[in-house]
Formats: sequence, structure tokens, C-alpha cells
Amino acid sequence: NAGVTQTPKFQVLKTGQSMTLQCAQDMNHNSMYWYRQDPGMGLRLIYYSASEGTTDKGEVPNGYNVSRLNKREFSLRLESAAPSQTSVYFCASSGGGGALNTQYFGPGTRLTVL
Amino acid sequence: QKEVEQDPGPLSVPEGAIVSLNCTYSNSAFQYFMWYRQYSRKGPELLMYTYSSGNKEDGRFTAQVDKSSKYISLFIRDSQPSDSATYLCAMSAGYYGGSQGNLIFGKGTKLSVKP
Repeated sequence: NAGVTQTPKFQVLKTGQSMTLQCAQDMNHNSMYWYRQDPGMGLRLIYYSASEGTTDKGEVPNGYNVSRLNKREFSLRLESAAPSQTSVYFCASSGGGGALNTQYFGPGTRLTVL
Repeated sequence: QKEVEQDPGPLSVPEGAIVSLNCTYSNSAFQYFMWYRQYSRKGPELLMYTYSSGNKEDGRFTAQVDKSSKYISLFIRDSQPSDSATYLCAMSAGYYGGSQGNLIFGKGTKLSVKP
């Protein structure tokens, strides 16, 4: 039982390049989330998927797109990376056994945009 | 005013001290309160979960919620160097997935426990 996994762990991009961050969970959770974490800003919600087939914007969605590929997988895409998107990105999931609103986090992806 | 306020610290204490971490919030609809611990360069992990007002104890950790004051606390007794981490409070109004169930996080308090 791996929990929430994220790939890649680290990435360096040049301004204007695109990339997709991958997230998968093996806990049969219904809901999945993408956050970014910046010094002094805390965790900010980018997009979430309350259930398979639905996605919604969070607090800071501009510059990002998401795909809920199936119940297990939720990807985050940066179409044209900007230095302001340098951050640590966390994927989380919730909705299995136990409290449905308890979120379980992956290890994060450290992204630098030059 | 931010929905959730948390003093970022840093907070430095000697080993064995009692630590008190706090958050205040403005949304009276919040009913579910959590504390997450985040070690350096790791993802947050759930530490404590409470519903509505009251206390909950788990080993050296006690979570306290005072909804009338919109104030939550986490107490750590007999603190250890291994408790050195950033502690994030989180809360939500709803139980299920969807906007009401989404968590609102504090910015985190960085704690250092010195041997």
C-alpha cells in the first residue's frame, strides 16, 4: 500500500516549457487535490476533483490544467511554465475508510522554472 | 482577514518542554479541525482530527477546539527533538468531497526542539 505517489520528485524547466505532474493513489479515495506550497504562503489549492469525472478550480488555478484520468490518477499540467510557478507541488486524496474529509498527501514535486 | 490565522514562528523550545500551537479562524461554519505535521522536504501527514468543540488526546498530543472563541490548539507534552517540524492546522465546514469539504490550511508554525 503505497498511499499517494507523485512523479517526478524534482524538475527544472525553462520559461515557456510545458510539463505534466503525475499523481496516483491506491486507497480507493473518491476525491483528489493539487496544492502548491510556497514560503510564507502556506498550502494553496490549485484544483480538486471531488469524484471521478469532475474537476473544479481552487484558490490559484491560473496557468494550470488538470485531468482526472480515472479514480486512481489525477494529473496537473503546466502548458507554458513561468518563474512564478516555481514551487513545491503536493497531491492529496481523501474519501476512503475513516473520515471522508481527511486528506493524505504525497511526497511532493519540487519544480524550478528558470 | 484571512480565514485561518497561524503564527509562523519559528518556535524553539528545550527537550521536555510543553509546546502550545494555536490557530484562529473566522468562518463559524467550520466543524472539522485537523493538525498536520510536516517534516522538512516531506509531505504533510495527519496528526490529529477533531469534530466540533472539545479535547482529544493521543499519546503526548492533545488537540483542543473552542468554537465559541474560534480558536484551536495543539499541545505537545514532553517534547522531543523528533517533534521538530512544521505544524499546520486545517479545517473544513463539510464532511464529504466538494467545496464545503475542502480543507483550509493555516500557514504553519515551525517548531524546533533542542536536545
